[in-house]
Amino acid sequence: QKEVEQDPGPLSVPEGAIVSLNCTYSNSAFQYFMWYRQYSRKGPELLMYTYSSGNKEDGRFTAQVDKSSKYISLFIRDSQPSDSATYLCAMSARRGSTLGRLYFGRGTQLTVWP
Amino acid sequence: DVKVTQSSRYLVKRTGEKVFLECVQDMDHENMFWYRQDPGLGLRLIYFSYDVKMKEKGDIPEGYSVSREKKERFSLILESASTNQTSMYLCASSFQGQHQPQHFGDGTRLSIL
Repeated sequence: QKEVEQDPGPLSVPEGAIVSLNCTYSNSAFQYFMWYRQYSRKGPELLMYTYSSGNKEDGRFTAQVDKSSKYISLFIRDSQPSDSATYLCAMSARRGSTLGRLYFGRGTQLTVWP
Repeated sequence: DVKVTQSSRYLVKRTGEKVFLECVQDMDHENMFWYRQDPGLGLRLIYFSYDVKMKEKGDIPEGYSVSREKKERFSLILESASTNQTSMYLCASSFQGQHQPQHFGDGTRLSIL
């Protein structure tokens, strides 16, 4: 079993929809949680970063962490065609993991159509 | 802004060739990483380095080696390229510490014929 599970989609929604992207994980030592966005033919770019449990909001994006369920989410409000990309979750442990290594989900491909 | 530069966007090589992929970062990051990304498999860590001349194996190191002679540069070497090494290769870097996010280059799409 992979340490981080993410539904690859693809997910296709109309412009303006609320999008929910999710990852589950098995390692209870994970404390730092990130979401990356990857446009076609580009490298992943950091979108959101949270520590431990709770919510973090940045514009139309909200990252949510539920450590008791080992479940993280990314919500996109008022989705736009420019949000069409692959979204990858990533996480790391506070201690015990090796030297800043991140563990990635496989990515969810999102298309927002006008 | 952090800049991670990979030397080639597209590369075509032949089976059995020795292939070098180069990565340079300009933010004085201690850690550097090489991944490959394949459809359905996501990002898989090949090797990483936390200091000059230091290296650690990732999840799929077979058939690869790395070199880090200078802090800003991390090279991935395919000793004898094979067709199953056709992939997108991504380099990343970060500061030391478990909580540091990684910054990625735009990748090299490598085809082995």
